[in-house]
Amino acid sequence: RKEVEQDPGPFNVPEGATVAFNCTYSNSASQSFFWYRQDCRKEPKLLMSVYSSGNEDGRFTAQLNRASQYISLLIRDSKLSDSATYLCVGNGGYNKLIFGAGTRLAVHP
Amino acid sequence: DADVTQTPRNRITKTGKRIMLECSQTKGHDRMYWYRQDPGLGLRLIYYSFDVKDINKGEISDGYSVSRQAQAKFSLSLESAIPNQTALYFCATSDFAGKRGTDTQYFGPGTRLTVL
Repeated sequence: RKEVEQDPGPFNVPEGATVAFNCTYSNSASQSFFWYRQDCRKEPKLLMSVYSSGNEDGRFTAQLNRASQYISLLIRDSKLSDSATYLCVGNGGYNKLIFGAGTRLAVHP
Repeated sequence: DADVTQTPRNRITKTGKRIMLECSQTKGHDRMYWYRQDPGLGLRLIYYSFDVKDINKGEISDGYSVSRQAQAKFSLSLESAIPNQTALYFCATSDFAGKRGTDTQYFGPGTRLTVL
């Protein structure tokens, strides 16, 4: 079993839709989690950190459920520019990151 | 100018050749990392270094070696390239994590390597 698992998608949604991704992790000792965004053939960039129960930044909300060991990312009012792959990331201890394979989002007009 | 740069950006090489990928950063971070990305597998850690005198193996270090020439430079070598090392390679940097234990990693633009 992978340490961090995500639905690869793609999620095809119209502009303005609300979309949610889930991610599960197997290491119960992981303390911090992140969502990174990766555009096609580009480097990953940090979208949000999730250190406690959750975090909100504009249209993006990340939540952490330690009991069930999953992290979610909610995107409200989707924009065309939100089309990308979203990587769920957990810490593997001592500043090492464990990446999920990513969930692809395609927002269409 | 980009904070984390990688050279070359694209490279095609043949099986058995030695190749070096270079990474430089201007962020002043002590910690540097090398990852590879394959379709459907996500990023996997190859090697990491927490300062100039520190080198650690990651998840998939076999077939690779690294050199930390200075705080700002971290190079990855494939001594004898093989086709299954064809991948997208990323360098990343981070600052000391502090009490949180994990800090943000900043990635370079990547090197697309093809081994024929």
